Amino acid sequence: NAGVTQTPKFQVLKTGQSMTLQCAQDMNHEYMSWYRQDPGMGLRLIHYSVGAGITDQGEVPNGYNVSRSTTEDFPLRLLSAAPSQTSVYFCASSGGQGSADTQYFGPGTRLTVL
Amino acid sequence: LAKTTQPISMDSYEGQEVNITCSHNNIATNDYITWYQQFPSQGPRFIIQGYKTKVTNEVASLFIPADRKSSTLSLPRVSLSDTAVYYCLVGDMWSSYKLIFGSGTRLLVRP
Repeated sequence: NAGVTQTPKFQVLKTGQSMTLQCAQDMNHEYMSWYRQDPGMGLRLIHYSVGAGITDQGEVPNGYNVSRSTTEDFPLRLLSAAPSQTSVYFCASSGGQGSADTQYFGPGTRLTVL
Repeated sequence: LAKTTQPISMDSYEGQEVNITCSHNNIATNDYITWYQQFPSQGPRFIIQGYKTKVTNEVASLFIPADRKSSTLSLPRVSLSDTAVYYCLVGDMWSSYKLIFGSGTRLLVRP
């Protein structure tokens, strides 16, 4: 199993551009989420999904959209990039919805918005 | 979701035992305690999880007192490769998918 994969690894955008960060998992996990991590800070939840077709907002959802058309994929869309969105983005998945279920994280996407 | 408090940073030397304590005064009956480890430029990785008393695996031990208002992650005989950020998370075992990561504890292991 590849686990959780994310593409691209690095991305530079100009203010106002849009893009999609890809996340895929091959563990047949129902639960997936997106976090951002600013330098020296902990992770903050952006959006999460409890299954195909179901998404919800986390702590910092503004400026981001998600959709979940399949169990495997959970893309994160930046609608109009801003310098404040410069961060490292992590995708995670888990087999259950509770804190007792281990979350598996991808390697991250480092995004810079100029 | 229970709020957690951890030390911002800790220093240690190779071969020593390191204990990182997390405070979670408003932990609820259904809450589990989970610790994650994060190396630079990587996503967090699950270390250990527990509900009460003591849990041990090949990597660490987790000590939880009877009142469960705190927990201590114990790393035996640390090496340089244990230098990382350690996060303590507390959440409902059944419905707490929205796990909240705090700032964590930055552990620096010196030679």
